[in-house]
Amino acid sequence: QKEVEQNSGPLSVPEGAIASLNCTYSDRGSQSFFWYRQYSGKSPELIMSIYSNGDKEDGRFTAQLNKASQYVSLLIRDSQPSDSATYLCAVHGYGGSQGNLIFGKGTKLSVKP
Amino acid sequence: DTEVTQTPKHLVMGMTNKKSLKCEQHMGHRAMYWYKQKAKKPPELMFVYSYEKLSINESVPSRFSPECPNSSLLNLHLHALQPEDSALYLCASSQDKSQGGNYGYTFGSGTRLTVV
Repeated sequence: QKEVEQNSGPLSVPEGAIASLNCTYSDRGSQSFFWYRQYSGKSPELIMSIYSNGDKEDGRFTAQLNKASQYVSLLIRDSQPSDSATYLCAVHGYGGSQGNLIFGKGTKLSVKP
Repeated sequence: DTEVTQTPKHLVMGMTNKKSLKCEQHMGHRAMYWYKQKAKKPPELMFVYSYEKLSINESVPSRFSPECPNSSLLNLHLHALQPEDSALYLCASSQDKSQGGNYGYTFGSGTRLTVV
């Protein structure tokens, strides 16, 4: 069974610090990787996508992918209280009925003022 | 505002009721999805429609019945639900099923369902 693993947290960081969120996945055939942010009671919002090994930066967010280690991470620089949310790692494979988005359980991030 | 619109936002229904959840997108996406999310859990895939045809049914009980009237609309018909079906029901769309891996899914704001 394909799995996506995340530490559930909560991860607590002070305002202005770097928050580091990690994710591992079991299916080596996975090709696309996403980070969603979900505020309590709201729907998931796509914040980052990454497809190739290495880093991808978008504003304060950096996604990192290492396919050999089956590892994806999200760094949030200059963390703000408004970043407090649950961050869902999602992995997409290809091929037949398995080509769907599989979510990790999410890491709850709390940014303290 | 999300580009995937779900109605109603909240729904309370009895175990003998019949109700429907609606989802609409105007992004030209050809794949649409229903997810169920319980509190403090990740979204769980229920159904996938690709080009208006049901392509995935993740062993969902028959009391949930999906319908895709056209490429923009997705419904979820509910009948004889149980209290444990109370959850946030999320609709999502992507350009097509394979392109979901290229661009991710766009989620609607969800319907908070309570079964009493």
